[in-house]
Amino acid sequence: GAGVSQSPSNKVTEKGKDVELRCDPISGHTALYWYRQSLGQGLEFLIYFQGNSAPDKSGLPSDRFSAERTGGSVSTLTIQRTQQEDSAVYLCASSSQTVSNQPQHFGDGTRLSIL
Amino acid sequence: AQSVAQPEDQVNVAEGNPLTVKCTYSVSGNPYLFWYVQYPNRGLQFLLKYITGDNLVKGSYGFEAEFNKSQTSFHLKKPSALVSDSALYFCAVRSHTGRRALTFGSGTRLQVQP
Repeated sequence: GAGVSQSPSNKVTEKGKDVELRCDPISGHTALYWYRQSLGQGLEFLIYFQGNSAPDKSGLPSDRFSAERTGGSVSTLTIQRTQQEDSAVYLCASSSQTVSNQPQHFGDGTRLSIL
Repeated sequence: AQSVAQPEDQVNVAEGNPLTVKCTYSVSGNPYLFWYVQYPNRGLQFLLKYITGDNLVKGSYGFEAEFNKSQTSFHLKKPSALVSDSALYFCAVRSHTGRRALTFGSGTRLQVQP
């Protein structure tokens, strides 16, 4: 497809379980971002990947959160030992970094609910 | 540190009337500024950006925004609102240097009444 694709669109899991969220960016986009959107906190930056550079992990809220980007394309965000406060919509975005001021293009997100 | 303020949680406007959604920002150095719109159960959709140059930026769907450096504002405007413009609007900023991730405002819900 032409846009950023995220899966699953919805995920319900029990507290304490691990979850994996997937993001497939726009083809050719070298920059990939994860954000979290929740009622209390708004839109928060989590992690940023740019090409082969070390990722910017400065937004990850705890060491239960981690992310990978394989082959410079698909990314997976993993949350271990989920807690109820992890319930949120997780948004992925990608951008072309040919010029640094390019807008980020967002997927429709994964709505995560922790029971 | 950078920040964005959207002082209005909700803006109500009648269809056909002009609309303004306010945004002020704080960033070190020169800013890149963006407006995004979000419809229910969807991701954020890019509307327009300010990089440099003309203070009036035109974007998608008839929206425009005016950059005011002295007031550190970037208000979103449209001359004639449509019911279909009803959505959640986010202003975002990043500096020309430093972290590439965007800092978002808290969002403003626009309600256009027929």
